[in-house]
Amino acid sequence: QQQVKQSPQSLIVQKGGISIINCAYENTAFDYFPWYQQFPGKGPALLIAIRPDVSEKKEGRFTISFNKSAKQFSLHIMDSQPGDSATYFCAASKDNNDMRFGAGTRLTVKP
Amino acid sequence: DARVTQTPRHKVTEMGQEVTMRCQPILGHNTVFWYRQTMMQGLELLAYFRNRAPLDDSGMPKDRFSAEMPDATLATLKIQPSEPRDSAVYFCASGFTGGTEAFFGQGTRLTVV
Repeated sequence: QQQVKQSPQSLIVQKGGISIINCAYENTAFDYFPWYQQFPGKGPALLIAIRPDVSEKKEGRFTISFNKSAKQFSLHIMDSQPGDSATYFCAASKDNNDMRFGAGTRLTVKP
Repeated sequence: DARVTQTPRHKVTEMGQEVTMRCQPILGHNTVFWYRQTMMQGLELLAYFRNRAPLDDSGMPKDRFSAEMPDATLATLKIQPSEPRDSAVYFCASGFTGGTEAFFGQGTRLTVV
């Protein structure tokens, strides 16, 4: 069953806009929540990650917001650029075991 | 330049044939994951190993799929017999105990006709 639910499936944003992707999880034992970025023909690569003891983490234009009580977390991409066009996956794991991924969001940033 | 190496990158095979995919994890990593990526299902965890021992393979169809780690530098995923519905991109990833990131290979694109 899908342990991590991700939405939307696809997203189109204008250059300079904000891209927002949402995820929800069920297993409260998860203690690590990464976001991976995948370009065509490549494997996913870690973009940014958060632990449940903080509510927000920012790295450059990328921010994760985390709501432990709602079991939800989201990725915000500020000032989106065409080079950000890729598929984004949220994930959740416990002790780097059993990492479960969401279904992915295909982001297109239009120039 | 440490990276996960997967072979072959592409494989086209006929239904019923055996397929073997190989993965060389990053040296020193003791956790290996196998994922299958399809448009419909996204990234599905098939199996993962820690210190070469299988910890969970519940995501794998047991009747046709098998995963092994003959040694610390090689992980294999076999499908026998292959079916058209197995067509997907198969990714191997590695990490280490106490770490957090899973490092992915470039994947094997399998087409079963």
